[in-house]
Amino acid sequence: QQQVKQSPQSLIVQKGGISIINCAYENTAFDYFPWYQQFPGKGPALLIAIRPDVSEKKEGRFTISFNKSAKQFSLHIMDSQPGDSATYFCAASGTGNTGKLIFGQGTTLQVKP
Amino acid sequence: SQTIHQWPATLVQPVGSPLSLECTVEGTSNPNLYWYRQAAGRGLQLLFYSVGIGQISSEVPQNLSASRPQDRQFILSSKKLLLSDSGFYLCAWSVGWTGEMNTEAFFGQGTRLTVV
Repeated sequence: QQQVKQSPQSLIVQKGGISIINCAYENTAFDYFPWYQQFPGKGPALLIAIRPDVSEKKEGRFTISFNKSAKQFSLHIMDSQPGDSATYFCAASGTGNTGKLIFGQGTTLQVKP
Repeated sequence: SQTIHQWPATLVQPVGSPLSLECTVEGTSNPNLYWYRQAAGRGLQLLFYSVGIGQISSEVPQNLSASRPQDRQFILSSKKLLLSDSGFYLCAWSVGWTGEMNTEAFFGQGTRLTVV
């Protein structure tokens, strides 16, 4: 029940295309859903996050779509660029004093010029 | 502003040797602290977390231990390393619980540990 399942494992997109990464969770107590971007040899960095009281959040070319009833959320990268090539992780955490994040398995995105 | 320091960046250690990785956070008080491990091509596995000095919770049974001797210092240790301990270790922090919703975690740059 603590798992977050992420797909696809890898993704290749042409420059200018749309990259879509999906995540699903089971624990209805989760109330915070961030996406992290990680470049090789670096620590993950927060990209965008959403809470379950909204169905969509957009920041620049990055959009999170959230479906509470289906317990699914996804990251859309519009106009994908070669600089977006990285590993993306979805995560979830629940209310409480630990703040611990449960991560998906990650998606390696390659944007071809 | 807050910063997180993690060192060393890379480490090669023989099997059976001890380990000590250190993480410190600046610019905040009473943070939640975390140790994650990332195996090659895989996700981030939470190893330990701490909500206060001396308070350590372990998420998975393993050959490692953690300590928090000071408010903004988090240490990952092992008495005898195993080959399976190789991986990319990440320290992270988040704002301590305020009674409201949780927020993001901020990660250090990681330590690449190779046990040979």
